[in-house]
Amino acid sequence: NAGVTQTPKFQVLKTGQSMTLQCAQDMNHEYMSWYRQDPGMGLRLIHYSVGAGITDQGEVPNGYNVSRSTTEDFPLRLLSAAPSQTSVYFCASSYDRGRYEQYFGPGTRLTVT
Amino acid sequence: GDSVTQMEGPVTLSEEAFLTINCTYTATGYPSLFWYVQYPGEGLQLLLKATKADDKGSNKGFEATYRKETTSFHLEKGSVQVSDSAVYFCALSDQWGNKLIFGTGTLLAVQP
Repeated sequence: NAGVTQTPKFQVLKTGQSMTLQCAQDMNHEYMSWYRQDPGMGLRLIHYSVGAGITDQGEVPNGYNVSRSTTEDFPLRLLSAAPSQTSVYFCASSYDRGRYEQYFGPGTRLTVT
Repeated sequence: GDSVTQMEGPVTLSEEAFLTINCTYTATGYPSLFWYVQYPGEGLQLLLKATKADDKGSNKGFEATYRKETTSFHLEKGSVQVSDSAVYFCALSDQWGNKLIFGTGTLLAVQP
C-alpha cells in the first residue's frame, strides 16, 4: 500500500494564479481531510469529506475548494492564490471520521509570491 | 468552541532524561484524545490515543492518561533518546468525530 500520496511536493505560485493540490489514498478510507500547517499555529482544518460526493468546511475554508468524486481522490483547489496561503498542506484519511487514526501524506510546501 | 493548549517549546533534554509535555483541552461532550508526532520533513504519525476518561494510551515508551477531571492528556516518557527528537502535537476529535483539533505543537530536541 502506498498509503496517502500528495503531489506536488513543492510549488511556487504568483499571486492570482490557481492550482490544484492532489491527494490520493489506497486504503479505501471513507474520511479524508485537508490541513494547513503554519508556524506557531499547529494544523488547521480546511475541508473534509466523509465519503464520495460529500464535503464540508473546516476551520479555514476561504479561498479553497474541494470535491470528492471517488473514494480514493480528494483534490484541493486554490482559486486565486494569495501570499497568506503560503503554507505546508497535508492531506489525511481515516477509516471512519476523526475518531479513528488519521493517516497523513508527506505534505506539499506552497509558496505564493 | 473546542480547543487544545499545549506547552510551548522548544524542550531540550539530554538523552535518558524524563519527558513531560503538557496538554489541556476544552471540549463539548466526550472527545477522543490523540498525540501525533512529526519527524523532520515528514507528515504526522499517530503516537497514541485514548477514547474515554481514565484510558491510558501507550506506544514506544510514551504514555498519556485521559484525565477528565483536569481536562488534561499529558505526554510522558521515562527515558528519551536522540531519535525521539521531533514535533509533538496534542489533538482532540470533536463530539461528532468530524474534525481533529490540534494544539500548536511542541518541538523536542534530545541531545546525546
